[in-house]
Amino acid sequence: AQTVTQSQPEMSVQEAETVTLSCTYDTSESDYYLFWYKQPPSRQMILVIRQEAYKQQNATENRFSVNFQKAAKSFSLKISDSQLGDAAMYFCAYRSANFGNEKLTFGTGTRLTIIP
Amino acid sequence: GAVVSQHPSWVICKSGTSVKIECRSLDFQATTMFWYRQFPKQSLMLMATSNEGSKATYEQGVEKDKFLINHASLTLSTLTVTSAHPEDSSFYICSARIAGDRNEQFFGPGTRLTVL
Repeated sequence: AQTVTQSQPEMSVQEAETVTLSCTYDTSESDYYLFWYKQPPSRQMILVIRQEAYKQQNATENRFSVNFQKAAKSFSLKISDSQLGDAAMYFCAYRSANFGNEKLTFGTGTRLTIIP
Repeated sequence: GAVVSQHPSWVICKSGTSVKIECRSLDFQATTMFWYRQFPKQSLMLMATSNEGSKATYEQGVEKDKFLINHASLTLSTLTVTSAHPEDSSFYICSARIAGDRNEQFFGPGTRLTVL
């Protein structure tokens, strides 16, 4: 079974600064997807960024980028120019690429606080 | 596009009663929907995978007779918590996958269930 570990229960960053959230995972599969989701106080899950394991290039979405290290099974999220609206719980998630096994396995989350 | 709704957004019920939660994909067809449970300050745990027109697949440890799932159409899945007890109080979130697109799940806003 796959597991996802987020070792930072809480993080804080000054507004406009950069912060990196850590995520490691364990799997025996070679093809899979990794995600970062944001859950603000409204509890609505929002997809931040997605990475396909077969792609060597790290995914980027505006101020959000990842550092995907497949051999190390590491998938960190970097948030640049942090904004007050970035404050939320961030969950790292894994999904198999195998047909019929599309469930998401989530990490325990990191609560990000933005300091004005 | 890709909006998922849940109804009700919150519900309070007496112990022993049954509660039905609806998950609807508003602007797309969803052959597969997923039901998650999230306890306070914890991560999302998958309860079951719901496929249109077939029986749901439950995760280990989830009682299928207690958490009844019906996916009768391509836009609607329901979760019924039968004979609810206070320990069933939680935040229930559904997600839906667009038919033919295996890459992304879209999440509903969640339903908060409180059992007295």
